[in-house]
Amino acid sequence: EAAVTQSPRNKVAVTGGKVTLSCNQTNNHNNMYWYRQDTGHGLRLIHYSYGAGSTEKGDIPDGYKASRPSQENFSLILELATPSQTSVYFCASGETRGANSDYTFGSGTRLLVI
Amino acid sequence: QQKVQQSPESLTVSEGAMASLNCTFSDGTSDNFRWYRQHSGKGLEMLVSIFSDGEKEEGRFTAHLNRASLHVSLHIREPQPSDSAVYLCAVNMGYKLTFGTGTSLLVDP
Repeated sequence: EAAVTQSPRNKVAVTGGKVTLSCNQTNNHNNMYWYRQDTGHGLRLIHYSYGAGSTEKGDIPDGYKASRPSQENFSLILELATPSQTSVYFCASGETRGANSDYTFGSGTRLLVI
Repeated sequence: QQKVQQSPESLTVSEGAMASLNCTFSDGTSDNFRWYRQHSGKGLEMLVSIFSDGEKEEGRFTAHLNRASLHVSLHIREPQPSDSAVYLCAVNMGYKLTFGTGTSLLVDP
């Protein structure tokens, strides 16, 4: 079954440390996305990718980098983690087909920065 | 930039009574409109996707879209306590899916 798998499920990081969140999809979708979810804000787009080798800034990219080494994998990198980056992060894969666009979300990664 | 707003922020209904949730958006030319459900601490479950004006039913969930009014609603027929969750409206335009902040639904038994 096609799926989006995130790792780790939970992460505790120290302020100033480097954090890498990983995402793997088996949907063969061209597009992949990283969102964060915070109370009162819904899901907000951090970075996205159109395909292997591409990364684009979303609505709130500051403090984050992304990497798309292959069709299947998309990572979110926090070079210098801060407590304000404590959140739940969701990865998604998708195909944009107008009315029939298809998106699949992962189960989320809970990140606590102390 | 697409703006998506949901109302009410929270809603309590009795088991079996209809639940109605609202979502307004800023760009009526968007490709499609989706409703997701998220149980506490869990991921997103898509309930219904609609792109034409009118209604679309998926089981107990019915979405109504009116692009001219920039409004899409979700109606839950015969809600059960297991439907207690946060409901998220999302608007798709091109590559981008923009979310509202959610409605927290509590279904009292």
